[in-house]
Amino acid sequence: DGGITQSPKYLFRKEGQNVTLSCEQNLNHDAMYWYRQDPGQGLRLIYYSQIVNDFQKGDIAEGYSVSREKKESFPLTVTSAQKNPTAFYLCASTSGGTAAGQPQHFGDGTRLSIL
Amino acid sequence: AQSVTQPDIHITVSEGASLELRCNYSYGATPYLFWYVQSPGQGLQLLLKYFSGDTLVQGIKGFEAEFKRSQSSFNLRKPSVHWSDAAEYFCAVAAGAAGNKLTFGGGTRVLVKP
Repeated sequence: DGGITQSPKYLFRKEGQNVTLSCEQNLNHDAMYWYRQDPGQGLRLIYYSQIVNDFQKGDIAEGYSVSREKKESFPLTVTSAQKNPTAFYLCASTSGGTAAGQPQHFGDGTRLSIL
Repeated sequence: AQSVTQPDIHITVSEGASLELRCNYSYGATPYLFWYVQSPGQGLQLLLKYFSGDTLVQGIKGFEAEFKRSQSSFNLRKPSVHWSDAAEYFCAVAAGAAGNKLTFGGGTRVLVKP
């Protein structure tokens, strides 16, 4: 079955450390997204990529970085500059390129905590 | 910029009773609207979507939603709730000019009493 795989499911970060969250999809989707979810705040967009080798900042990009070297992969790095990284991180993808209204398919998320 | 408001943070409903979750949006053009459901510790699953046409849309798991342009609303309903419907529900709007970027509401957590 096609889908989105996020790993690891749980991740712990030490102070001053960068960590990378993996997101892989085998849906052949062009666009991929990273969201951060905090209790009571819904989902907020961190970065998105509509095509390989291209990505744009979302609403809360500070302290995060991404790459899109392959169509199926969109890793997110949480840098030491992100002072409050504890959250649930969700990756999503859509087909249809820039066409609006395509529903997003989500992975099962990674929960990041500070040690 | 578009925005989405879900006025109810929590709703408790008895099993077998009806459920309605409210969603209000702010967007200048014709919106693309979605409802997603999230079980604890998992990703989001699409329940239904509205793009155009019939304002009453049917989704999975017995859910439906009605688009009311005059009220800028897209409320989700289910006639008879099952215990498995306990979850968090998110309304979202897509901005046409920005492709598939979604703006989410804050979510409504549904608790089901036996």
